Amino acid sequence: NAGVTQTPKFQVLKTGQSMTLQCAQDMNHNSMYWYRQDPGMGLRLIYYSASEGTTDKGEVPNGYNVSRLNKREFSLRLESAAPSQTSVYFCASTGAGFSEQFFGPGTRLTVL
Amino acid sequence: GQQVMQIPQYQHVQEGEDFTTYCNSSTTLSNIQWYKQRPGGHPVFLIQLVKSGEVKKQKRLTFQFGEAKKNSSLHITATQTTDVGTYFCAVAGGTSYGKLTFGQGTILTVHP
Repeated sequence: NAGVTQTPKFQVLKTGQSMTLQCAQDMNHNSMYWYRQDPGMGLRLIYYSASEGTTDKGEVPNGYNVSRLNKREFSLRLESAAPSQTSVYFCASTGAGFSEQFFGPGTRLTVL
Repeated sequence: GQQVMQIPQYQHVQEGEDFTTYCNSSTTLSNIQWYKQRPGGHPVFLIQLVKSGEVKKQKRLTFQFGEAKKNSSLHITATQTTDVGTYFCAVAGGTSYGKLTFGQGTILTVHP
């Protein structure tokens, strides 16, 4: 099992460009999450999907959209990137009981 | 939503010294999780504490949940260079669906 995979690993964008971060899990988990990590601020929840077909906002949703394409895949879209979105983005998933979350390797995004 | 304060932000130790990080909340927590993130890596689940006063051990790591369920600690005995990384506590959100609020993390450096 690959666990949680994310693409791309690195990305550099110019202000105003758009992009989609991809996430997939092969653990048959119902719930998936997108976080951003900035120095000194821990991980902050952007959006989550409790189950296939549902999505909801987390702590810092502004400037992002998500799609739960199917049970395996949960994508994060930046429609018009801003320098403030320079960060490391992690996708995570969890199974029934909402205990441990499994994280992907992350996407390191720089917006110039 | 849930807020959790984690201290210290940084800790530098000599190999063989002990290390402790603390998480504190102003509200009663249903449970608390601990994660470790190696430099350049992704968070990895260590443990979940649920019961008041609970103490769990994993080799040199000891996890405690306070009697009032408002604080928790992670103690490492006789640190090794492999312990280097950032340690996060995380608490469940007020609603369900596994939403987590992470502490700011404690960055541990171990000098050989």
